[in-house]
Amino acid sequence: GAVVSQHPSWVICKSGTSVKIECRSLDFQATTMFWYRQFPKQSLMLMATSNEGSKATYEQGVEKDKFLINHASLTLSTLTVTSAHPEDSSFYICSADATRDEQFFGPGTRLTVL
Amino acid sequence: SQQGEEDPQALSIQEGENATMNCSYKTSINNLQWYRQNSGRGLVHLILIRSNEREKHSGRLRVTLDTSKKSSSLLITASRAADTASYFCAPNPSIAGYALNFGKGTSLLVTP
Repeated sequence: GAVVSQHPSWVICKSGTSVKIECRSLDFQATTMFWYRQFPKQSLMLMATSNEGSKATYEQGVEKDKFLINHASLTLSTLTVTSAHPEDSSFYICSADATRDEQFFGPGTRLTVL
Repeated sequence: SQQGEEDPQALSIQEGENATMNCSYKTSINNLQWYRQNSGRGLVHLILIRSNEREKHSGRLRVTLDTSKKSSSLLITASRAADTASYFCAPNPSIAGYALNFGKGTSLLVTP
């Protein structure tokens, strides 16, 4: 099946720094990728929809200036958490839309902001 | 938005027993997918059942779909301790580029 990778797997950073997370579709092209966030013991919550070559669509309550999304190619989307704070600590998961039938999820990136 | 609601929220069984989880959703779907997530890890795709299918098997997994009741069930037979995880259903509408929305999942604990 299709494979989606994320980099890094985990990151620990100081408050106020920016962190970039990459999501790659390894063996297929994805015009649409999705970014989710999951807090401990909670479900995945959709943050934004990333479309190749256009601006991302953010879900209500997600600050677009804080969570910058770039989908510059059909195999790569990046999420940058700007000026990260401890409340941004979470598990960030991306998925790529290969076909209408199925999405493929990355392994997730655990962000801890000290 | 289309979101699956899993039931029960938590389930504890012993190894060898069967585990059944249910999912309900509200609008029409193209297919419905089940995922597993081990604590602190990413999602693992388990099985996809299309709207014109009623039952599907994969190893020890059996999924049913009743589109008239807008519900699905996931049965894990002869459970193992390694099956301990959270299980999520994701109803998928037939719209390209539409995000999957997840409920709170069913937390399954299989004890030796």
